Amino acid sequence: GAVVSQHPSWVICKSGTSVKIECRSLDFQATTMFWYRQFPKQSLMLMATSNEGSKATYEQGVEKDKFLINHASLTLSTLTVTSAHPEDSSFYICSASRDYNTGELFFGEGSRLTVL
Amino acid sequence: AQSVAQPEDQVNVAEGNPLTVKCTYSVSGNPYLFWYVQYPNRGLQFLLKYITGDNLVKGSYGFEAEFNKSQTSFHLKKPSALVSDSALYFCAVRTSQRSNYQLIWGAGTKLIIKP
Repeated sequence: GAVVSQHPSWVICKSGTSVKIECRSLDFQATTMFWYRQFPKQSLMLMATSNEGSKATYEQGVEKDKFLINHASLTLSTLTVTSAHPEDSSFYICSASRDYNTGELFFGEGSRLTVL
Repeated sequence: AQSVAQPEDQVNVAEGNPLTVKCTYSVSGNPYLFWYVQYPNRGLQFLLKYITGDNLVKGSYGFEAEFNKSQTSFHLKKPSALVSDSALYFCAVRTSQRSNYQLIWGAGTKLIIKP
């Protein structure tokens, strides 16, 4: 089956630094990837839609300059949390769709970010 | 507004008993319905989907779900629960009218199977 790899799985950083999270589709090309943030009470929040070769589409309320998304190739999208603060601590999950007819998603393993 | 509801934050079931995790939706157009499972500190895994055809869909790990158009529901079921089924379950829906494959997500239901 399709595999999406996400790295790093966990990261701890100091406040004010930037952190980059990578999302790779390992056995298929993904023109579209999605970035989610998961809060402690379980809910998934779609942050942005990453489109290969073009700018990401951000959901309302998500700061574009804070969460930089780059989708430079058909197999890689990156999320950079810039000038991270403790409130950015969360579980970030990426996903990619291979089947354009159904929209079935394949998810990365998630990245736990802790900002001190 | 389009939405997906998982009315139960948590469901507790004894091992060996049947389980049901509920999902209802409100969308325009024909829905594509999905169930995903998430184990602690992991990404989501696909369980099953309904696109068209038979209303009863069978998926991974012995799970199944029934699409009920009149009740706009897509409840997840399993005849005999295992302790290893304990996880977080998400229902999601996409409509043919929604572009770029975005899904509308339920809030998730924590399933706890007790030995």
